[in-house]
Amino acid sequence: KQEVTQIPAALSVPEGENLVLNCSFTDSAIYNLQWFRQDPGKGLTSLLLIQSSQREQTSGRLNASLDKSSGRSTLYIAASQPGDSATYLCAVRQRTGNQFYFGTGTSLTVIP
Amino acid sequence: KAGVTQTPRYLIKTRGQQVTLSCSPISGHRSVSWYQQTPGQGLQFLFEYFSETQRNKGNFPGRFSGRQFSNSRSEMNVSTLELGDSALYLCASSGGTEQETQYFGPGTRLLVL
Repeated sequence: KQEVTQIPAALSVPEGENLVLNCSFTDSAIYNLQWFRQDPGKGLTSLLLIQSSQREQTSGRLNASLDKSSGRSTLYIAASQPGDSATYLCAVRQRTGNQFYFGTGTSLTVIP
Repeated sequence: KAGVTQTPRYLIKTRGQQVTLSCSPISGHRSVSWYQQTPGQGLQFLFEYFSETQRNKGNFPGRFSGRQFSNSRSEMNVSTLELGDSALYLCASSGGTEQETQYFGPGTRLLVL
């Protein structure tokens, strides 16, 4: 069974800092990997989707990379802002069974 | 374009009752997935519907069921509620292929007393 882990569980940084969030998965047979943010009590907002054949995707200050062979993905946030404070989740879609598996999340706090 | 909507947003039930949650996907999306989110277990996949057919199913007991209508709207039903069913229930829609981005609704928060 696929297991998705995110480290660290929580992160606190000063405004303006560049940061990296990590996501690791045990089964590399995936269709895609998606990064989300979740604000308290709210649903999930899609940030980036990386297909299994791709190595990275960029959107504004966000850059996500994917290394299927090592079972890792990173989300890079440049010049962090207080509005970036949220929980960040990664999710993989399995090739076998098409099921979705979510990571445990990283709670990010950006201090003004 | 309107986003994914879920009704109701909040619900309080007692043990043994049943509940039905509703999800309206983004217009044109034919795939709807349901998730349960709890502090202890995180986000867990319940099931996915595509064109009125259940395409995938997670590891939940048979008390959890769902369906999808011809207009792609989906409902999820939980029978014989247990205290542990208290959670945020999220639905997500996508364009239907395996490689599409999922768009989530705001969720229904269910409290079982």
